[in-house]
Amino acid sequence: GENVGLHLPTLSVQEGDNSIINCAYSNSASDYFIWYKQESGKGPQFIIDIRSNMDKRQGQRVTVLLNKTVKHLSLQIAATQPGDSAVYFCAETNSGGSNYKLTFGKGTLLTVNP
Amino acid sequence: GAGVSQSPRYKVAKRGQDVALRCDPISGHVSLFWYQQALGQGPEFLTYFQNEAQLDKSGLPSDRFFAERPEGSVSTLKIQRTQQEDSAVYLCASSPSTGPTTEAFFGQGTRLTVV
Repeated sequence: GENVGLHLPTLSVQEGDNSIINCAYSNSASDYFIWYKQESGKGPQFIIDIRSNMDKRQGQRVTVLLNKTVKHLSLQIAATQPGDSAVYFCAETNSGGSNYKLTFGKGTLLTVNP
Repeated sequence: GAGVSQSPRYKVAKRGQDVALRCDPISGHVSLFWYQQALGQGPEFLTYFQNEAQLDKSGLPSDRFFAERPEGSVSTLKIQRTQQEDSAVYLCASSPSTGPTTEAFFGQGTRLTVV
């Protein structure tokens, strides 16, 4: 499929390494954040979410960190695998406002080398 | 079906032509969203339906864009008099709830190319 990662920030890692993908969000009123994974030719797939009353949340092989002071999110992927290769987007929303509407970041292309 | 289904997967339109993009959400899902994703960019919100009601169309770029969901299930995004800047992937998502979109499931998208 067509590479949706053109002109995106890129991160290249070796299989088995840990990956850290960063995201700066724009709206200080946002209180709910989601990380999505998008493989070539597919729609975004939910990975993990975090609310603004938390600084850290862990899932299976993934951890999201939230720093509200500097409006920064990061996604950490442990023991990165070739199947993790994709574009990763952070998305933000305000649960008190139009909470159905997600604002997506630009995305980061992760390439995992076997 | 098991997921959100969009058709066609690819559409090439001549400038000025009208197009219609279809979304079949997951059965029973109340909420339906349309997003536009330009090459190398993140998806951008277009419009939101709760059942058959279009509650938000603030993201539609112009009055050439029109969306409907007449029976609260299948939705169609129509673009009239297509322009080259309309070239993008159009993503549909559905959710069983009306709250924050944790449970939004995205379709594979329709890639529209206007020539």
